[in-house]
Amino acid sequence: EDQVTQSPEALRLQEGESSSLNCSYTVSGLRGLFWYRQDPGKGPEFLFTLYSAGEEKEKERLKATLTKKESFLHITAPKPEDSATYLCAVQAGSSASKIIFGSGTRLSIRP
Amino acid sequence: NAGVTQTPKFRVLKTGQSMTLLCAQDMNHEYMYWYRQDPGMGLRLIHYSVGEGTTAKGEVPDGYNVSRLKKQNFLLGLESAAPSQTSVYFCASSYPGRRTGELFFGEGSRLTVL
Repeated sequence: EDQVTQSPEALRLQEGESSSLNCSYTVSGLRGLFWYRQDPGKGPEFLFTLYSAGEEKEKERLKATLTKKESFLHITAPKPEDSATYLCAVQAGSSASKIIFGSGTRLSIRP
Repeated sequence: NAGVTQTPKFRVLKTGQSMTLLCAQDMNHEYMYWYRQDPGMGLRLIHYSVGEGTTAKGEVPDGYNVSRLKKQNFLLGLESAAPSQTSVYFCASSYPGRRTGELFFGEGSRLTVL
């Protein structure tokens, strides 16, 4: 069964304290892995797409990496405004219905 | 450029009542989706559409119906609401092909069924 698991469920960091969020997946025929950011009371906002193992994408303090079994979202020197829930999703196969979301990691950055 | 717009943003229903959630997108996307988000369960796909006049079932379709009469609109209906349908509903749209997973979401519709 296709599955996406994110860890940890919640993470509290001090401002400037770097860390990583994990997204592990078991899918047949990975077409892409996607990271989203979701602020309270808002819809998810697309951040990155990764298509193949070894690929990396960066945006400001965020860097996403992909292996054959998992993806990491590295946060370097985070600021309070980086506080949000980060969602990982995978597309398993070509169907639009095969986009599977993880439950997310709730990140909190203390000033 | 509004992106994806959902109405209403909040609604309270009594068990057995019906309602329709409206989603409109102005990005000319082929694909549109309805998800529900519940604490600890992530986003689950209810129904989706790959083009005007087409709809298909997702992971949790029971109790919901959808229609896509125009490319820019995707309607989600609840014919007889149940407390288990209390949730936050998100509409999303995307391009087909490799960018299918790059979803553009609306701000959500919070539904409470008493």
